[in-house]
Amino acid sequence: DAGVTQSPTHLIKTRGQQVTLRCSPKSGHDTVSWYQQALGQGPQFIFQYYEEEERQRGNFPDRFSGHQFPNYSSELNVNALLLGDSALYLCASSLVDSQITEAFFGQGTRLTVV
Amino acid sequence: ELKVEQNPLFLSMQEGKNYTIYCNYSTTSDRLYWYRQDPGKSLESLFVLLSNGAVKQEGRLMASLDTKARLSTLHITAAVHDLSATYFCAVDGFGNQFYFGTGTSLTVIP
Repeated sequence: DAGVTQSPTHLIKTRGQQVTLRCSPKSGHDTVSWYQQALGQGPQFIFQYYEEEERQRGNFPDRFSGHQFPNYSSELNVNALLLGDSALYLCASSLVDSQITEAFFGQGTRLTVV
Repeated sequence: ELKVEQNPLFLSMQEGKNYTIYCNYSTTSDRLYWYRQDPGKSLESLFVLLSNGAVKQEGRLMASLDTKARLSTLHITAAVHDLSATYFCAVDGFGNQFYFGTGTSLTVIP
């Protein structure tokens, strides 16, 4: 059973560019959440997708957008990249109707903006 | 906004010693999670605590939850080098929107 998979694992972009990160949830999970983890910090919630809709959003600007596909996989898009967007981006999957609510995290995408 | 605080931020301990990491949070929640993160790696789930008074143990780690005090603890017994990592607590604010603590960087010295 494949866990949460993310691609790519590493990415280098230039300021002002746009980037797309991808996530495939754990088999059987229907909810995908994205987190940004700056160096030396705890992960910060960006947004969550369920049934192809953005269900919740953290305190991130509109430059951060996402999408969920019918197969539950998800993309995170960041426009007009800033140096401060350099971070580890983590995807977490969960099952919304599960009584034991647990999120499983992917290995992350390390984004470096230069 | 829900705040989650961990202390200490950094912990250096000798092998064989015991210590406790504390996690305080600012609003009512009965769902508390502990994760481990190795350098450059993702988050590994350690414990899921879903009710007041919950206690879970795995090997040398034991986690507990006091929802009335809004406090969770992660107790390390007889530390070994393999436990060196950063430990995060996270509170489920609503529907798996996790608020993470600042993390505790643990180094176990032989």
